[in-house]
Amino acid sequence: DAKTTQPNSMESNEEEPVHLPCNHSTISGTDYIHWYRQLPSQGPEYVIHGLTSNVNNRMASLAIAEDRKSSTLILHRATLRDAAVYYCILRDGFGDMRFGAGTRLTVKP
Amino acid sequence: GAVVSQHPSWVICKSGTSVKIECRSLDFQATTMFWYRQFPKQSLMLMATSNEGSKATYEQGVEKDKFLINHASLTLSTLTVTSAHPEDSSFYICSAFFGGHEQYFGPGTRLTVT
Repeated sequence: DAKTTQPNSMESNEEEPVHLPCNHSTISGTDYIHWYRQLPSQGPEYVIHGLTSNVNNRMASLAIAEDRKSSTLILHRATLRDAAVYYCILRDGFGDMRFGAGTRLTVKP
Repeated sequence: GAVVSQHPSWVICKSGTSVKIECRSLDFQATTMFWYRQFPKQSLMLMATSNEGSKATYEQGVEKDKFLINHASLTLSTLTVTSAHPEDSSFYICSAFFGGHEQYFGPGTRLTVT
């Protein structure tokens, strides 16, 4: 499986933008880039996904490098409710989904 | 949107007993469901893929005789931890796809074996 590398932890101030990086240098042409987040004692929830082009939704934006070897999840205005572990996952089409270590985001008021 | 539920949300059992965890898809049919396990401060680990009407596919290192998976209908998959031991204490999470790219996760079941 293609692997991803994320920083263990990041901190942000409330109402400021947050950029969460992910490296995936061994990504294949059919791998989609997915982001999920997990709040304490809950199941993960979908954030966003993309293949080649940048993507936006109501939760976040996903910026994908031109060579697709890295991507960045952007939370435009962090809130305390955004404090969670964020997982960047590569998924080949509709195959199963395997989680890496993720980035623990702390949001300071 | 689609919702996946799990029951129970938490359970405490004695060592040597068996525990059944249910995973239901409430809005859509799911031909495939996934079971994950998560130890404290660790990431999710895929245990098995549950296929409706056929045998589950287990990940390497996961004992299929210990973690029995049954996917009897398009809306229900069950995970039974047989002869549970304290080292089986963990957070068990199921998930399902409903035709798109988004995977829906259940809220998880916390198992404590004493």
